[in-house]
Amino acid sequence: DIQMTQSPSSLSASVDDRVSITCRASQIIDNKLNWYRQKPGKAPELLIYAASSLQSGVPSRFSGSGSGADFTLTIRGLRPEDFATYYCQQSYNTPYTFGQGTKVEMK
Amino acid sequence: QMQLQESGPGLVKPSETLSLTCSVSGGSISGYWWSWIRQPAGKGPEWIGRIISSGHTNYSPSLTSRVSMSLDTSTNQISLKLTSVTAADTAVYYCARETGLKTTSWYLWFDPWGQGTLVTVSS
Repeated sequence: DIQMTQSPSSLSASVDDRVSITCRASQIIDNKLNWYRQKPGKAPELLIYAASSLQSGVPSRFSGSGSGADFTLTIRGLRPEDFATYYCQQSYNTPYTFGQGTKVEMK
Repeated sequence: QMQLQESGPGLVKPSETLSLTCSVSGGSISGYWWSWIRQPAGKGPEWIGRIISSGHTNYSPSLTSRVSMSLDTSTNQISLKLTSVTAADTAVYYCARETGLKTTSWYLWFDPWGQGTLVTVSS
């Protein structure tokens, strides 16, 4: 199985801050990397697919970058609804695997 | 807009079989891969497996001996069965559609997801 490692596991930030979350795969996965936001008690929601493509309806403050095995999710101008947990997920092969999550907390 | 809704018992006894159904509205289940994903409290999601309308399945190697999936295009439902459950199978269970685009190869992602259903394994 491909292991996905996110860092940091948690971070503290304020509204309007810029935050970045990294995700490293245990092997090269091309750009087959997706990012999700999960609010408490809710299902994950897709933010970014194919490493850098913004899902329709997702605000432009979210962006994804990276290639190969190293990827980054950046949120520019954190909003109150962005205090949540973020997961990366590889779709290079099955079994699909997710990172352990990064919790963005209010400072 | 397609919507997914999981249903099934919220409590299952150890060694018994967990059975869940995902009801899809707002579109046909034909032509798509449908995945089951679970998430224990405080942990990241875990992919269980997927099924497509032809009946072809892929299961996670860690669960393949205990899991089976099926679908019914006439009722637009996807089903999950997990046998011989233990406390380690306690989780929120989600169904999700696998969507994607093809350029030089397929790029796939999960969207939409159901709201999830909590299954607790306990006597």
